[in-house]
Amino acid sequence: NAGVMQNPRHLVRRRGQEARLRCSPMKGHSHVYWYRQLPEEGLKFMVYLQKENIIDESGMPKERFSAEFPKEGPSILRIQQVVRGDSAAYFCASSPGLAGVEETQYFGPGTRLLVL
Amino acid sequence: GESVGLHLPTLSVQEGDNSIINCAYSNSASDYFIWYKQESGKGPQFIIDIRSNMDKRQGQRVTVLLNKTVKHLSLQIAATQPGDSAVYFCAELTQGGSEKLVFGKGTKLTVNP
Repeated sequence: NAGVMQNPRHLVRRRGQEARLRCSPMKGHSHVYWYRQLPEEGLKFMVYLQKENIIDESGMPKERFSAEFPKEGPSILRIQQVVRGDSAAYFCASSPGLAGVEETQYFGPGTRLLVL
Repeated sequence: GESVGLHLPTLSVQEGDNSIINCAYSNSASDYFIWYKQESGKGPQFIIDIRSNMDKRQGQRVTVLLNKTVKHLSLQIAATQPGDSAVYFCAELTQGGSEKLVFGKGTKLTVNP
Protein backbone atom coordinates (compact mmCIF):
# COMPACT_ATOMS: atom_id res chain seq x y z
CA ASN A 1 0.00 0.00 0.00
CA ALA A 2 1.99 2.94 -1.30
CA GLY A 3 2.19 6.05 0.78
CA VAL A 4 2.17 9.64 -0.39
CA MET A 5 4.52 10.03 -3.31
CA GLN A 6 6.32 13.19 -4.30
CA ASN A 7 8.60 13.96 -7.16
CA PRO A 8 11.14 15.09 -7.79
CA ARG A 9 12.85 14.53 -4.48
CA HIS A 10 15.40 17.21 -5.25
CA LEU A 11 15.01 20.12 -7.64
CA VAL A 12 17.56 22.76 -8.56
CA ARG A 13 16.45 25.89 -10.35
CA ARG A 14 18.04 29.19 -11.27
CA ARG A 15 16.41 32.45 -10.31
CA GLY A 16 13.56 33.27 -12.67
CA GLN A 17 12.84 29.69 -13.68
CA GLU A 18 9.70 27.75 -12.88
CA ALA A 19 9.46 24.90 -10.40
CA ARG A 20 6.80 22.18 -10.59
CA LEU A 21 6.36 19.87 -7.65
CA ARG A 22 4.14 16.81 -7.89
CA CYS A 23 2.25 14.89 -5.27
CA SER A 24 0.26 11.68 -5.55
CA PRO A 25 -1.86 11.06 -2.44
CA MET A 26 -2.28 7.73 -0.76
CA LYS A 27 -4.71 5.40 -2.44
CA GLY A 28 -8.24 6.27 -1.42
CA HIS A 29 -7.34 9.75 -0.19
CA SER A 30 -9.09 12.71 -1.77
CA HIS A 31 -7.66 15.57 0.30
CA VAL A 32 -4.23 17.02 -0.35
CA TYR A 33 -2.25 19.58 1.62
CA TRP A 34 0.99 21.38 0.85
CA TYR A 35 3.40 22.60 3.51
CA ARG A 36 6.74 24.36 3.37
CA GLN A 37 9.61 23.81 5.76
CA LEU A 38 12.64 26.02 6.18
CA PRO A 39 15.77 24.58 7.85
CA GLU A 40 15.45 24.14 11.61
CA GLU A 41 11.79 25.12 11.54
CA GLY A 42 8.40 23.48 11.64
CA LEU A 43 6.16 23.02 8.66
CA LYS A 44 4.02 25.93 7.51
CA PHE A 45 0.67 25.32 5.87
CA MET A 46 0.32 26.57 2.31
CA VAL A 47 -2.80 25.16 0.67
CA TYR A 48 -5.52 22.56 1.06
CA LEU A 49 -7.15 21.00 -1.99
CA GLN A 50 -9.77 18.49 -2.87
CA LYS A 51 -10.26 17.13 -6.35
CA GLU A 52 -10.63 20.11 -8.70
CA ASN A 53 -11.16 22.50 -5.77
CA ILE A 54 -8.97 24.75 -3.67
CA ILE A 55 -10.46 24.73 -0.18
CA ASP A 56 -7.99 26.94 1.70
CA GLU A 57 -5.04 28.80 0.20
CA SER A 58 -4.48 31.15 3.12
CA GLY A 59 -0.84 30.08 3.43
CA MET A 60 0.07 30.63 -0.20
CA PRO A 61 2.05 33.71 -1.21
CA LYS A 62 -0.16 35.98 -3.28
CA GLU A 63 2.13 35.98 -6.27
CA ARG A 64 4.05 33.34 -8.22
CA PHE A 65 2.61 30.36 -6.33
CA SER A 66 -0.29 28.24 -7.51
CA ALA A 67 -1.64 24.79 -6.81
CA GLU A 68 -4.03 22.41 -8.44
CA PHE A 69 -5.44 18.94 -7.90
CA PRO A 70 -7.04 17.85 -11.16
CA LYS A 71 -9.64 15.16 -11.56
CA GLU A 72 -6.97 12.89 -12.98
CA GLY A 73 -3.33 12.90 -12.05
CA PRO A 74 -1.25 14.26 -9.21
CA SER A 75 -1.53 17.52 -7.36
CA ILE A 76 0.88 20.16 -8.64
CA LEU A 77 2.49 22.99 -6.73
CA ARG A 78 3.84 25.50 -9.19
CA ILE A 79 6.27 28.29 -8.39
CA GLN A 80 6.91 30.78 -11.15
CA GLN A 81 9.99 32.99 -11.40
CA VAL A 82 11.66 31.39 -8.42
CA VAL A 83 13.80 33.44 -6.06
CA ARG A 84 16.43 32.28 -3.57
CA GLY A 85 13.95 32.67 -0.73
CA ASP A 86 11.85 29.90 -2.24
CA SER A 87 14.56 27.38 -1.34
CA ALA A 88 12.96 25.02 1.14
CA ALA A 89 11.54 21.55 1.57
CA TYR A 90 7.99 21.25 0.29
CA PHE A 91 5.87 18.50 1.77
CA CYS A 92 2.61 17.12 0.58
CA ALA A 93 0.17 15.34 2.87
CA SER A 94 -3.07 13.52 2.20
CA SER A 95 -6.09 12.38 4.16
CA PRO A 96 -9.13 10.26 3.28
CA GLY A 97 -11.65 13.09 3.24
CA LEU A 98 -14.35 11.70 5.50
CA ALA A 99 -16.98 14.32 6.15
CA GLY A 100 -17.19 15.68 9.65
CA VAL A 101 -14.17 13.83 10.97
CA GLU A 102 -10.81 15.33 11.85
CA GLU A 103 -8.29 13.25 10.05
CA THR A 104 -4.68 12.36 10.34
CA GLN A 105 -2.60 13.72 7.52
CA TYR A 106 0.08 11.42 6.13
CA PHE A 107 3.13 13.04 4.64
CA GLY A 108 5.25 12.32 1.62
CA PRO A 109 9.07 12.39 1.57
CA GLY A 110 9.16 15.98 0.35
CA THR A 111 10.76 17.87 -2.51
CA ARG A 112 13.86 19.85 -1.65
CA LEU A 113 14.01 22.91 -3.83
CA LEU A 114 17.27 24.78 -4.20
CA VAL A 115 17.29 28.06 -6.08
CA LEU A 116 20.69 29.18 -7.28
CA GLY B 1 1.45 33.93 14.90
CA GLU B 2 2.03 30.31 15.78
CA SER B 3 -0.30 28.83 18.32
CA VAL B 4 1.83 25.78 18.99
CA GLY B 5 5.26 25.89 20.56
CA LEU B 6 7.71 23.61 22.28
CA HIS B 7 9.41 24.26 25.61
CA LEU B 8 12.81 22.77 24.73
CA PRO B 9 14.51 22.78 21.37
CA THR B 10 16.83 19.84 22.17
CA LEU B 11 16.70 16.80 24.40
CA SER B 12 19.49 14.31 24.98
CA VAL B 13 18.83 11.00 26.75
CA GLN B 14 20.58 7.72 27.38
CA GLU B 15 19.45 4.61 25.58
CA GLY B 16 16.88 2.82 27.68
CA ASP B 17 15.72 5.93 29.52
CA ASN B 18 12.26 7.39 29.12
CA SER B 19 11.89 10.62 27.14
CA ILE B 20 9.33 13.36 27.62
CA ILE B 21 8.78 16.00 24.97
CA ASN B 22 6.49 18.90 25.79
CA CYS B 23 4.33 21.20 23.74
CA ALA B 24 2.16 24.22 24.58
CA TYR B 25 -0.72 25.39 22.47
CA SER B 26 -2.68 28.60 22.68
CA ASN B 27 -5.84 27.91 20.69
CA SER B 28 -8.31 26.56 23.20
CA ALA B 29 -10.73 25.77 20.39
CA SER B 30 -8.43 23.18 18.85
CA ASP B 31 -9.59 19.67 19.47
CA TYR B 32 -7.21 17.40 17.61
CA PHE B 33 -3.49 17.02 18.13
CA ILE B 34 -0.87 14.90 16.41
CA TRP B 35 2.74 14.06 17.18
CA TYR B 36 5.05 13.57 14.23
CA LYS B 37 8.60 12.27 14.06
CA GLN B 38 10.89 13.61 11.38
CA GLU B 39 14.22 12.01 10.61
CA SER B 40 16.85 13.89 8.69
CA GLY B 41 15.97 14.22 5.03
CA LYS B 42 12.55 12.61 5.41
CA GLY B 43 8.96 13.66 5.71
CA PRO B 44 7.08 13.79 9.03
CA GLN B 45 5.97 10.38 10.19
CA PHE B 46 2.76 10.01 12.20
CA ILE B 47 3.35 8.72 15.73
CA ILE B 48 0.18 9.19 17.70
CA ASP B 49 -2.83 11.47 17.92
CA ILE B 50 -5.31 12.53 20.55
CA ARG B 51 -8.66 14.27 20.54
CA SER B 52 -9.70 16.82 23.11
CA ASN B 53 -12.27 14.52 24.71
CA MET B 54 -9.36 12.40 25.96
CA ASP B 55 -6.51 13.18 28.34
CA LYS B 56 -4.30 10.21 27.60
CA ARG B 57 -3.66 7.84 24.76
CA GLN B 58 -1.15 5.04 24.52
CA GLY B 59 0.57 3.43 21.61
CA GLN B 60 3.51 1.11 21.31
CA ARG B 61 6.16 2.62 23.63
CA VAL B 62 4.57 6.06 23.27
CA THR B 63 2.01 7.89 25.34
CA VAL B 64 0.45 11.26 24.66
CA LEU B 65 -0.98 13.32 27.49
CA LEU B 66 -3.30 16.26 27.01
CA ASN B 67 -3.98 18.84 29.70
CA LYS B 68 -6.64 21.19 28.39
CA THR B 69 -6.66 23.28 31.55
CA VAL B 70 -3.15 24.56 30.90
CA LYS B 71 -3.17 23.82 27.16
CA HIS B 72 -0.26 21.44 27.34
CA LEU B 73 0.59 18.35 25.37
CA SER B 74 3.37 15.87 25.99
CA LEU B 75 4.84 12.85 24.28
CA GLN B 76 6.40 10.16 26.41
CA ILE B 77 8.67 7.57 24.82
CA ALA B 78 9.46 4.54 26.92
CA ALA B 79 12.81 2.77 26.78
CA THR B 80 14.20 5.20 24.23
CA GLN B 81 16.25 3.62 21.48
CA PRO B 82 18.85 5.09 19.09
CA GLY B 83 16.29 4.78 16.30
CA ASP B 84 14.12 7.28 18.16
CA SER B 85 16.64 10.04 17.47
CA ALA B 86 14.80 12.59 15.34
CA VAL B 87 12.98 15.90 15.52
CA TYR B 88 9.55 15.64 17.07
CA PHE B 89 6.75 18.04 16.22
CA CYS B 90 3.38 18.51 17.79
CA ALA B 91 0.68 19.74 15.45
CA GLU B 92 -2.71 21.19 16.13
CA LEU B 93 -5.66 20.93 13.82
CA THR B 94 -7.63 24.14 13.49
CA GLN B 95 -11.38 24.08 13.54
CA GLY B 96 -13.81 25.84 11.29
CA GLY B 97 -13.68 24.26 7.88
CA SER B 98 -10.07 24.14 6.83
CA GLU B 99 -8.07 21.17 7.91
CA LYS B 100 -4.68 22.84 8.11
CA LEU B 101 -2.22 21.67 10.71
CA VAL B 102 -0.31 24.21 12.78
CA PHE B 103 3.15 22.93 13.68
CA GLY B 104 5.52 23.90 16.42
CA LYS B 105 9.21 24.37 15.74
CA GLY B 106 10.19 20.92 16.95
CA THR B 107 12.33 19.25 19.58
CA LYS B 108 15.45 17.42 18.52
CA LEU B 109 15.82 14.19 20.46
CA THR B 110 19.26 12.60 20.61
CA VAL B 111 19.62 9.15 22.11
CA ASN B 112 23.08 8.30 23.35
CA PRO B 113 24.14 4.64 23.33
